[in-house]
Amino acid sequence: QKEVEQDPGPLSVPEGAIVSLNCTYSNSAFQYFMWYRQYSRKGPELLMYTYSSGNKEDGRFTAQVDKSSKYISLFIRDSQPSDSATYLCAIPSNTGNQFYFGTGTSLTVIP
Amino acid sequence: SQTIHQWPATLVQPVGSPLSLECTVEGTSNPNLYWYRQAAGRGLQLLFYSVGIGQISSEVPQNLSASRPQDRQFILSSKKLLLSDSGFYLCAWSSSGTHSGNTIYFGEGSWLTVV
Repeated sequence: QKEVEQDPGPLSVPEGAIVSLNCTYSNSAFQYFMWYRQYSRKGPELLMYTYSSGNKEDGRFTAQVDKSSKYISLFIRDSQPSDSATYLCAIPSNTGNQFYFGTGTSLTVIP
Repeated sequence: SQTIHQWPATLVQPVGSPLSLECTVEGTSNPNLYWYRQAAGRGLQLLFYSVGIGQISSEVPQNLSASRPQDRQFILSSKKLLLSDSGFYLCAWSSSGTHSGNTIYFGEGSWLTVV
């Protein structure tokens, strides 16, 4: 079983829609969770960083962690064409020097 | 603040030719350094990681090698490229030490096409 599994998409939504991106993980000991955004032909950039359960909000982005079901989500409100990118979830190992990545979900926001 | 530089951004190399991709990190000391390869639709594949000068761990057997000649410099090399080496290569760094809340930061990537 992979440490992190991610819905592959692709996902195509109209501008202004609410987007939900999701990952599941296998190890209940994981405590930190990250989301990266990757534009075409660019390196991934850190978008959101959360600890334990609950929600974290940053502008139009909300990261949600449900530790009981080992499920993490990224919500994008009022989606914009500039949000079109691949989104990757990531979890650091408990030693911190290894990272587990989802395969990424490709999102296209249509004007 | 910390920055990571990776070059070249794009290269086209013939089969059998050598390869050298270079990465440097600024603004931090003794970082963990990583080389990943990203194939279309297949996610990030860890190739090498290093916790210190001269300390390289290989995750995938292949014709690639890595070296860390200085604390903040990481080099990916090959003596003879194969067609299957084509892809998007990413250098990354994270803070050293063992703590579960670590974060990883990526360079801009290098697109390699082997022809």
